Amino acid sequence: DTGVSQDPRHKITKRGQNVTFRCDPISEHNRLYWYRQTLGQGPEFLTYFQNEAQLEKSRLLSDRFSAERPKGSFSTLEIQRTEQGDSAMYLCASSSGQFSNQPQHFGDGTRLSIL
Amino acid sequence: QQQVKQSPQSLIVQKGGISIINCAYENTAFDYFPWYQQFPGKGPALLIAIRPDVSEKKEGRFTISFNKSAKQFSLHIMDSQPGDSATYFCAASSIGAGSYQLTFGKGTKLSVIP
Repeated sequence: DTGVSQDPRHKITKRGQNVTFRCDPISEHNRLYWYRQTLGQGPEFLTYFQNEAQLEKSRLLSDRFSAERPKGSFSTLEIQRTEQGDSAMYLCASSSGQFSNQPQHFGDGTRLSIL
Repeated sequence: QQQVKQSPQSLIVQKGGISIINCAYENTAFDYFPWYQQFPGKGPALLIAIRPDVSEKKEGRFTISFNKSAKQFSLHIMDSQPGDSATYFCAASSIGAGSYQLTFGKGTKLSVIP
């Protein structure tokens, strides 16, 4: 069990560019979550997958954001036309269990800085 | 609208003392309440969690107390150690309503001084 892995750990880009982050969940975890955390705040939910199906989306997930989990394993989060306000830590979490709640295990995040 | 309110924002405790962090929620559909610990540069790590059918849960030095009628829950860290210095987040979700998203409080920065 290697834990939730996120890549890259840091991303610096210019405003207006597109960025893509990758998350590899704990092996065999069927649920995968994306959160955003800004400095001094708690994580805020963005979206959630059960296997390859995207089941919940937050109002924070504007049309510039898109997330995929094509084969129910790894997931990608893309931000198009980045803005200053997108600067944050993007956290991925995964959990197991289909009919009962299991704890969400977080990765160490991707820190995005918009110049 | 902040659905989970956490206090205090920061806390300084002497080594060996008890650290107490409080959270209050508004959404009565919440039925799962975890606490996470986060070190700088790291993701949150689950410490302990409680469901509303119990009033207290203890794991080692960490205890959650839960008051359903007051819609409040708290984390107690007994015999606090310098290694406990971190930011702590309470969270909540509505598992019974089929929603697995966690709503987090704003966090409490704990400093344990020797």
